[in-house]
Amino acid sequence: DAGVTQSPTHLIKTRGQQVTLRCSPKSGHDTVSWYQQALGQGPQFIFQYYEEEERQRGNFPDRFSGHQFPNYSSELNVNALLLGDSALYLCASKGYGLSYEQYFGPGTRLTVT
Amino acid sequence: AQSVTQLDSQVPVFEEAPVELRCNYSSSVSVYLFWYVQYPNQGLQLLLKYLSGSTLVESINGFEAEFNKSQTSFHLRKPSVHISDTAEYFCAVSDTGNQGGKLIFGQGTELSVKP
Repeated sequence: DAGVTQSPTHLIKTRGQQVTLRCSPKSGHDTVSWYQQALGQGPQFIFQYYEEEERQRGNFPDRFSGHQFPNYSSELNVNALLLGDSALYLCASKGYGLSYEQYFGPGTRLTVT
Repeated sequence: AQSVTQLDSQVPVFEEAPVELRCNYSSSVSVYLFWYVQYPNQGLQLLLKYLSGSTLVESINGFEAEFNKSQTSFHLRKPSVHISDTAEYFCAVSDTGNQGGKLIFGQGTELSVKP
């Protein structure tokens, strides 16, 4: 049973560019959340997707957008990259309903130069 | 608004010694509480959770945490640590009305177990 997978594992981009990160949830899960973890910090919630819609959003600018596909996989898009966007981006999935246990993927390390 | 404070950024300890990682939270609503562990270059793994019932919760690898509502704390303890427990530990809260949504994390505590 595959857990949460993310691609790519590492990425280097230049300021002003755009990036797309991908996430496949754990089998049987239908809800995906994205978190940003800056170096030496705890993860910060970006947004959550369920039924292909953004259900909750954290305090991140509109440059951060997402999408969920019918197979429950998800993408995180960041436009106009800033140096401060350099971080580990974590995807988490959970099952339907009142399930509080979120399973995290290994993350994508984004470096903006 | 909710917030989580992990009182120690680094905790060095010798193998087989006891350890306590401290976590305090602030919230105007009821919360669920979690401890996650992050090994180097890996994602987060759920260590244990408090949703309701007994205030003392245990993990399968010997960690335990106690929910103290009056002190708004959820400290993590282990009576005897191993080298393999070396990792970053994160305390997190979630609004009980949130239906498994947003997790708010503390800054993390780096546990370093020395032989």
